[in-house]
Amino acid sequence: DTAVSQTPKYLVTQMGNDKSIKCEQNLGHDTMYWYKQDSKKFLKIMFSYNNKELIINETVPNRFSPKSPDKAHLNLHINSLELGDSAVYFCASSPRDNNYGYTFGSGTRLTVV
Amino acid sequence: GESVGLHLPTLSVQEGDNSIINCAYSNSASDYFIWYKQESGKGPQFIIDIRSNMDKRQGQRVTVLLNKTVKHLSLQIAATQPGDSAVYFCAEEFFGNEKLTFGTGTRLTIIP
Repeated sequence: DTAVSQTPKYLVTQMGNDKSIKCEQNLGHDTMYWYKQDSKKFLKIMFSYNNKELIINETVPNRFSPKSPDKAHLNLHINSLELGDSAVYFCASSPRDNNYGYTFGSGTRLTVV
Repeated sequence: GESVGLHLPTLSVQEGDNSIINCAYSNSASDYFIWYKQESGKGPQFIIDIRSNMDKRQGQRVTVLLNKTVKHLSLQIAATQPGDSAVYFCAEEFFGNEKLTFGTGTRLTIIP
């Protein structure tokens, strides 16, 4: 049973398109995140949500819009895709108590052509 | 701003030897540190963590050392195995910040 699952695993799309990535966690965690990993493997936080509320928005272009319908789901919608959006996007969750224990999904490789 | 960096981008180690991966951080307010392992095509996987009130923590074949004086973190892997080949990241967080800041990663390659 996958703890943090993302779909799709691979996404190839043309510039200008709009696409969504879905994330679900079955760990009962209160906080979920989106991280972006570039071609040099650098991981950087984009957003975090705590119990459906936006906590962190790390100066991400407003073409990126996260949505959390409930605390087990955090989806990422991207409008007007650009070449520079090509990366691997990771969803993660955390219980936000004394034992932080971030758990990451397996990633979505987005390629914009 | 805060930053977490690694001294070596790549490390090659003979199978069976011990590996040491180093990490420097700049935010003295950071109070929680984690090492992650990322294998090809997978997400980061938790290895071991340590809080700022500790200097050392041991797990199964792994040890994390924290030197707050020089803001340095290291991961020691004992008796390295082929399955240890991966990119290793250190990450830091401080209370109230609610996010992990990752270092640039070190690729560990095991030589048979």
